[in-house]
Amino acid sequence: NAGVTQTPKFRILKIGQSMTLQCTQDMNHNYMYWYRQDPGMGLKLIYYSVGAGITDKGEVPNGYNVSRSTTEDFPLRLELAAPSQTSVYFCASSYSSLVTASYNSPLHFGNGTRLTVT
Amino acid sequence: SQELEQSPQSLIVQEGKNLTINCTSSKTLYGLYWYKQKYGEGLIFLMMLQKGGEEKSHEKITAKLDEKKQQSSLHITASQPSHAGIYLCGADPTGNQFYFGTGTSLTVIP
Repeated sequence: NAGVTQTPKFRILKIGQSMTLQCTQDMNHNYMYWYRQDPGMGLKLIYYSVGAGITDKGEVPNGYNVSRSTTEDFPLRLELAAPSQTSVYFCASSYSSLVTASYNSPLHFGNGTRLTVT
Repeated sequence: SQELEQSPQSLIVQEGKNLTINCTSSKTLYGLYWYKQKYGEGLIFLMMLQKGGEEKSHEKITAKLDEKKQQSSLHITASQPSHAGIYLCGADPTGNQFYFGTGTSLTVIP
């Protein structure tokens, strides 16, 4: 199993450009998440999905959009990129609700996408 | 939303010293997770605590969830350079949204 795969690993955007960060997982996980991590900071939840066709906002959704047409894929779309969106983006997945899981079910993370907007 | 405040924000210790990182929640914790992130890399799961008073250890790292379930501490004994990185606590208060703490950056000086 590849786990959680993110592409691209690095990207430089100009202000106003748009792009899609790809995330796919092959573990049949229901829950998927997008986080951003600014330098020296913790992770902030952008959007999450509890299953195909269902998405919801996290802490910092402005400037982003997501879709979940399949269980495997959870792309993150940036429209009109701004310098404030310079960050490292992590996608994660988990099998079920972490609160009700009967076994340890930590998040599985991708390796991140480092995005710079100039 | 759940707020997880970590302290200290950063820590510089001499190799061999013990240290403690705290994670305080604004709400009751139903499961608290500790992750470690090496600089520039992804997150590594360390351990999960579910019950108030629960304590878990892995090698030289021990984590505890307090009885009132609003605070957790991570203790490293005899720190080594390999312990360096960012430590993050995380929680899932609603069953849907997994939130992370503000992070603690640890530097271990040989």
